Amino acid sequence: KNEVEQSPQNLTAQEGEFITINCSYSVGISALHWLQQHPGGGIVSLFMLSSGKKKHGRLIATINIQEKHSSLHITASHPRDSAVYICAVTGSARQLTFGSGTQLTVLP
Amino acid sequence: DTAVSQTPKYLVTQMGNDKSIKCEQNLGHDTMYWYKQDSKKFLKIMFSYNNKELIINETVPNRFSPKSPDKAHLNLHINSLELGDSAVYFCASSPGTSGREQYFGPGTRLTVT
Repeated sequence: KNEVEQSPQNLTAQEGEFITINCSYSVGISALHWLQQHPGGGIVSLFMLSSGKKKHGRLIATINIQEKHSSLHITASHPRDSAVYICAVTGSARQLTFGSGTQLTVLP
Repeated sequence: DTAVSQTPKYLVTQMGNDKSIKCEQNLGHDTMYWYKQDSKKFLKIMFSYNNKELIINETVPNRFSPKSPDKAHLNLHINSLELGDSAVYFCASSPGTSGREQYFGPGTRLTVT
């Protein structure tokens, strides 16, 4: 079992829909990261959080430390949001451990 | 201005060869990393390094070695390449060593034939 589990693995949505991607982890962490990998392969850091909630444009990330769970929400989804979204945690080894990613496809 | 750059972008080579991938960051960050992304798109840490400490993922074969000529560069040298080394390798950097936002390079696609 991976230390970081993401769901769903694949998600297809219609443009404008509200999207939620979930991440659960089983280890103690100092931070949780949400990353976006574009179809061209580049990786961008979306959020880094250790508590509460962060918002950037149409993206919202939340974390519940007690439940060891985080969610990434996308409001008013758009085809350009189509990408792989990856959850990662910084644990005791001070290195990132990654989830397997969620492939999001937003249809026009 | 490219924050984290890698060269080459593509690398095709034969089994048994030795190759290097270069990484440079102009962000003034203290810590740099190498990650491997396999054919299933799963990312895994290989090394993290700052000017004081190298942390090696224990699953990384000793054919892989990071080399840092200075704080802005962390190159990845691979000896005796094997077919299973084919993957995309990402370099990244961050300020500090723990729980800080990381900035990724564009990746190097290595194909071993």
